[in-house]
Amino acid sequence: GQQVMQIPQYQHVQEGEDFTTYCNSSTTLSNIQWYKQRPGGHPVFLIQLVKSGEVKKQKRLTFQFGEAKKNSSLHITATQTTDVGTYFCAVLYTHNFNKFYFGSGTKLNVKP
Amino acid sequence: DTAVSQTPKYLVTQMGNDKSIKCEQNLGHDTMYWYKQDSKKFLKIMFSYNNKELIINETVPNRFSPKSPDKAHLNLHINSLELGDSAVYFCASSQEGVAGGRNEQFFGPGTRLTVL
Repeated sequence: GQQVMQIPQYQHVQEGEDFTTYCNSSTTLSNIQWYKQRPGGHPVFLIQLVKSGEVKKQKRLTFQFGEAKKNSSLHITATQTTDVGTYFCAVLYTHNFNKFYFGSGTKLNVKP
Repeated sequence: DTAVSQTPKYLVTQMGNDKSIKCEQNLGHDTMYWYKQDSKKFLKIMFSYNNKELIINETVPNRFSPKSPDKAHLNLHINSLELGDSAVYFCASSQEGVAGGRNEQFFGPGTRLTVL
């Protein structure tokens, strides 16, 4: 079946350091979504990327979609303790617009 | 008003029992999902309903049976519970986007199921 790889699995940073998580697919994607799940919480939508090479920003968060639409990244500048949580990518393939494939998530821990 | 609600929030039960989890969304979305999140935090889709019709049925034991009485509700019934069923179960909903594709998914708060 389709698989999406997400790396790293864990990241521990000092507050103020940057953080990046990557999502990679061997097959071209239709679109990609990013979610954040706080400890004990539920996934919350952050953004959706649709266009090849798209870059979107939300304050300290920068989301990129690769030119070939096979990979994406989420970058956080100057992390804060409120950024703690697990970040998931969720992808859709063109052959099935109803099924989301979630990456394995990157757990971010920020030390104050 | 909560967009996607699930009940119960916690469920502790013995092996072999049958239990149900309920989900409701008040967003008017056309599609609802059930996900299982295991102890390693993997989020795996189990079922999806679009306008009350089953459209995704992953490799899930047939002890799990979803039911959608209307497009705002998607319930999950589990028969003969096993230890390996212990997980957090999330309900979600979304709406078809422009020119196909999907808009964001809204997740419920989750149901933590513990099978003893």
